[in-house]
Amino acid sequence: LAKTTQPISMDSYEGQEVNITCSHNNIATNDYITWYQQFPSQGPRFIIQGYKTKVTNEVASLFIPADRKSSTLSLPRVSLSDTAVYYCLVAPGNRKLIWGLGTSLAVNP
Amino acid sequence: DAGVTQSPTHLIKTRGQQVTLRCSPKSGHDTVSWYQQALGQGPQFIFQYYEEEERQRGNFPDRFSGHQFPNYSSELNVNALLLGDSALYLCASSSTGGGDEKLFFGSGTQLSVL
Repeated sequence: LAKTTQPISMDSYEGQEVNITCSHNNIATNDYITWYQQFPSQGPRFIIQGYKTKVTNEVASLFIPADRKSSTLSLPRVSLSDTAVYYCLVAPGNRKLIWGLGTSLAVNP
Repeated sequence: DAGVTQSPTHLIKTRGQQVTLRCSPKSGHDTVSWYQQALGQGPQFIFQYYEEEERQRGNFPDRFSGHQFPNYSSELNVNALLLGDSALYLCASSSTGGGDEKLFFGSGTQLSVL
């Protein structure tokens, strides 16, 4: 399974755009890139998933370059409620997913 | 439409005891995965159940066992509890099919072993 590397923590302010980059140099052809959000004492919540190029939904955008060795989660105009841990996962499905420490995002007033 | 439900929400046990945690998957989902999450860490995969069988297992001892019922609900059993088993136990459901199988998590069971 591909290993991912992402920043341990990030700080931002309300109304700003936040970009979190994840490196996955050993991504396989059949791997998908999936991002989850987790608040304290809650289960992770699916944010967005992509395979290549760009994916956008009502919550975020996911940018994936042609070589797929990295991906960037973009959160537009963050609010205090976006303070959470964000996990990047790379796998062909959801079996035996390997979760890292994620990126702890702090949004300040 | 109910999402993934887990019970109980909190549990306190003592070393050596046994515990059973329960999970009902999201409607329409047939696959249940269990994760252990220690404080400040990412979730660690315990095992996954599909068609009432353990399909894959993470690096957890045999003290951790599970079961899936015909209605797709699942149980996680932990025997001979250790202090280090204290963690948030998460259940996630999904629908087995193509490669883009998104996980839907419950709120977890917070287990404290004293």
